Amino acid sequence: EAGVAQSPRYKIIEKRQSVAFWCNPISGHATLYWYQQILGQGPKLLIQFQNNGVVDDSQLPKDRFSAERLKGVDSTLKIQPAKLEDSAVYLCASSFGPATYYEQYFGPGTRLTVT
Amino acid sequence: GENVEQHPSTLSVQEGDSAVIKCTYSDSASNYFPWYKQELGKGPQLIIDIRSNVGEKKDQRIAVTLNKTAKHFSLHITETQPEDSAVYFCAATGGSSNTGKLIFGQGTTLQVKP
Repeated sequence: EAGVAQSPRYKIIEKRQSVAFWCNPISGHATLYWYQQILGQGPKLLIQFQNNGVVDDSQLPKDRFSAERLKGVDSTLKIQPAKLEDSAVYLCASSFGPATYYEQYFGPGTRLTVT
Repeated sequence: GENVEQHPSTLSVQEGDSAVIKCTYSDSASNYFPWYKQELGKGPQLIIDIRSNVGEKKDQRIAVTLNKTAKHFSLHITETQPEDSAVYFCAATGGSSNTGKLIFGQGTTLQVKP
């Protein structure tokens, strides 16, 4: 089966610019996650969707980050305006259901550099 | 708050030796503990997991142990091979809502020298 797809793979922007990332989960996976992975650290959950509803966005900086999953399939994550500290790899993952019971499959990530 | 501590941050072993990575967690409600392997330029990939009702699980050269009382769990890799070189992350479910939210450790860079 096809894995989790993400685009773009790399993005370089200047601070205060905006950027958007796209994720296409594995077909049939109801749960979708966006993680931020800063260099040398483990992934940190930003937002979790169950179908098109938000389950957890407690660590999403809502003043600058937004995410949507309108039809319960693809998802986009946006940053506006970007700060230097947003430089990281943004990982999308999906699972058939909650991760307690179902394996999370990760995409390759988008590496964002903010200059 | 919820936290997972992972040690060591780097580990270098000779091919054929064993490698052990340890993690501790803070949330006593955590009930699922996966381990991920991340190779350069790729997303993490699940290699083994354990649930809170089990103390040990083994899959070929990889094993995980869980001590719920002490709130720590460990990854054991035996007969290491150069292709085992990667960054390994432990994780634990966080929060009491059973949403499956994972809290990740900081990662261990494993280098297996031929």
